Amino acid sequence: DTEVTQTPKHLVMGMTNKKSLKCEQHMGHRAMYWYKQKAKKPPELMFVYSYEKLSINESVPSRFSPECPNSSLLNLHLHALQPEDSALYLCASSQELLGELFFGEGSRLTVL
Amino acid sequence: AQSVTQLGSHVSVSEGALVLLRCNYSSSVPPYLFWYVQYPNQGLQLLLKYTSAATLVKGINGFEAEFKKSETSFHLTKPSAHMSDAAEYFCAVSVMHGSARQLTFGSGTQLTVLP
Repeated sequence: DTEVTQTPKHLVMGMTNKKSLKCEQHMGHRAMYWYKQKAKKPPELMFVYSYEKLSINESVPSRFSPECPNSSLLNLHLHALQPEDSALYLCASSQELLGELFFGEGSRLTVL
Repeated sequence: AQSVTQLGSHVSVSEGALVLLRCNYSSSVPPYLFWYVQYPNQGLQLLLKYTSAATLVKGINGFEAEFKKSETSFHLTKPSAHMSDAAEYFCAVSVMHGSARQLTFGSGTQLTVLP
């Protein structure tokens, strides 16, 4: 099983809503990532969890709150987002030493 | 700091022609380099990777890339383009950050394949 599964695939939310994006992998990887991708741009790193602990936060606004309940799951909690936060949110996982990231299909977020 | 630069944001080739997508890297240590492909409304899929073994790396879908230290390049090639190769291609360099690796992507190259 070499899949990273993200839900939902599409999410529309208002600026006052609270929602969550979910990511799951069963490859035994110990590092998990959230990337944000705007149209026609490369993915930008948001957060990295290593062994279930937050190891990198790329100065992401606090309206984005990551959570890693266990080594297979990664959540991104969303609250009071802005329209400019509309983007494709990609989850990825890796075995750190190999360096290869496996990406999910992404969750396309629209903030109204 | 390690980084990659992709030359050409758009490349068009005819079906059956050679595909050449350019990537140059900047790194003070031997880099781990990757090429990823992204089809519309999908995630990123790994095409191939260089991790300091063979300098000529073969990947999926007939793609290959050659690591040239003297030119600090890692260009992606395919002998004969297929319509299904039309997609966005990203070159990336991997750096260790604590116990995890993170990827830094180039700006991407949109490949169009003309019939």
